[in-house]
Amino acid sequence: DQQVKQNSPSLSVQEGRISILNCDYTNSMFDYFLWYKKYPAEGPTFLISISSIKDKNEDGRFTVFLNKSAKHLSLHIVPSQPGDSAVYFCAARAQGAQKLVFGQGTRLTINP
Amino acid sequence: DADVTQTPRNRITKTGKRIMLECSQTKGHDRMYWYRQDPGLGLRLIYYSFDVKDINKGEISDGYSVSRQAQAKFSLSLESAIPNQTALYFCATSIDGATDTQYFGPGTRLTVL
Repeated sequence: DQQVKQNSPSLSVQEGRISILNCDYTNSMFDYFLWYKKYPAEGPTFLISISSIKDKNEDGRFTVFLNKSAKHLSLHIVPSQPGDSAVYFCAARAQGAQKLVFGQGTRLTINP
Repeated sequence: DADVTQTPRNRITKTGKRIMLECSQTKGHDRMYWYRQDPGLGLRLIYYSFDVKDINKGEISDGYSVSRQAQAKFSLSLESAIPNQTALYFCATSIDGATDTQYFGPGTRLTVL
């Protein structure tokens, strides 16, 4: 039972354009969401997060949007750069829970 | 120097062998986690520990055991390795549960033949 789903295994975007990575969840008790980025041969690194009391959080080129009614969040990267090529994981934490649930990951490739 | 280190980085072993993966951290965090990553399945939690005396099962703990030897050390053992435990294993730490930002080690690639 996949509570956090990233339905696109891969995404290819041209350098300079917008990258949009999507994530859907099923558990209405999730109240905190995170995005992690992973390069080959390295562990995931934290990128950006959002609390369920917000619908948007921005950090430089990265913006996360949360649509609670649709149980959907997205990560926007503008403009996309070659160094953004990586696997991106979304993760969620349920209210009162002590651990994260991760999605399957989306491999983003930025083409020059 | 890396804050979260894992040894070994790569290991090939045979079915039935006992394997231990080790994780050390210098971040001073109380919380430590073990995950495995499989293609198409993302990161799945095996075990987690909130302090030296606290051990909790994650969603896929069968076939694994852990030991929290100190605040800085958290080891994962496969008592009798089987081929479907071939995966990439990650250790992570976090400071608390409020935001749960986790810091990951570089991973151990384990192959069970």
